[in-house]
Amino acid sequence: QVQLQESGPGLVRPSETLSLTCTVSGGSISGYYLSWIRQPPGKGLEWIGYIHYSGRTHYNPSLKSRVTISVDTSRNQFSLELTSVTAADTAIYYCARSPSWAVIEIDYWGQGTLVTVSS
Amino acid sequence: QSVLTQPPSASGTPGQRVTISCSGSSSSIGTNTVKWYQHLPGTAPKLLIYNNNQRPSGVPDRFSGSKSGTSASLAINGLQSEDEADYYCATWHDSLNAPVFGGGTKLTVL
Repeated sequence: QVQLQESGPGLVRPSETLSLTCTVSGGSISGYYLSWIRQPPGKGLEWIGYIHYSGRTHYNPSLKSRVTISVDTSRNQFSLELTSVTAADTAIYYCARSPSWAVIEIDYWGQGTLVTVSS
Repeated sequence: QSVLTQPPSASGTPGQRVTISCSGSSSSIGTNTVKWYQHLPGTAPKLLIYNNNQRPSGVPDRFSGSKSGTSASLAINGLQSEDEADYYCATWHDSLNAPVFGGGTKLTVL
């Protein structure tokens, strides 16, 4: 059974960098798209960006200047960095996996981790 | 504001049929396939429909999807209490060159 688990600080100070890691167990990340998606409190889902296991990335244009997604295939992990955070970046952050033919067709999600931006 | 427009809420009584709409444009739904996700509070979203009208294995046939032009719909037949959740449509947006979600519809089973 494939499982994804987000890890990282639950509290980040304004202007600092949010860093999260997603560990994939029970299956490989090779051959898949790996995404970060978030949900601010009381709002809908927002795609942050994705990385192909080969390393090719694609970011939401509205966040592109602040986002970096990377992958470590040896550890079956991928990571998110979001710089210069503000309160508007407070959200539940999900990592997700989708097949190589359809990045939007997510077959496995993490449970999500709440990240609060506050001083 | 999402580029895919969904009604913020929908409701129905057990056994009823409910439909949720998702309106896009020629750059999104008009040229790309639509997925639907079910999101129960405190859990990970679940893929309900892919390729406009296909159900992954394990999804009851009470759920169905359709697409016409620049809009799509999710229909739920025989509404059950466990269907109470948020529902999101998703597709690729050619102009934004990015995946996009709808704003979500909160379904209440009365």
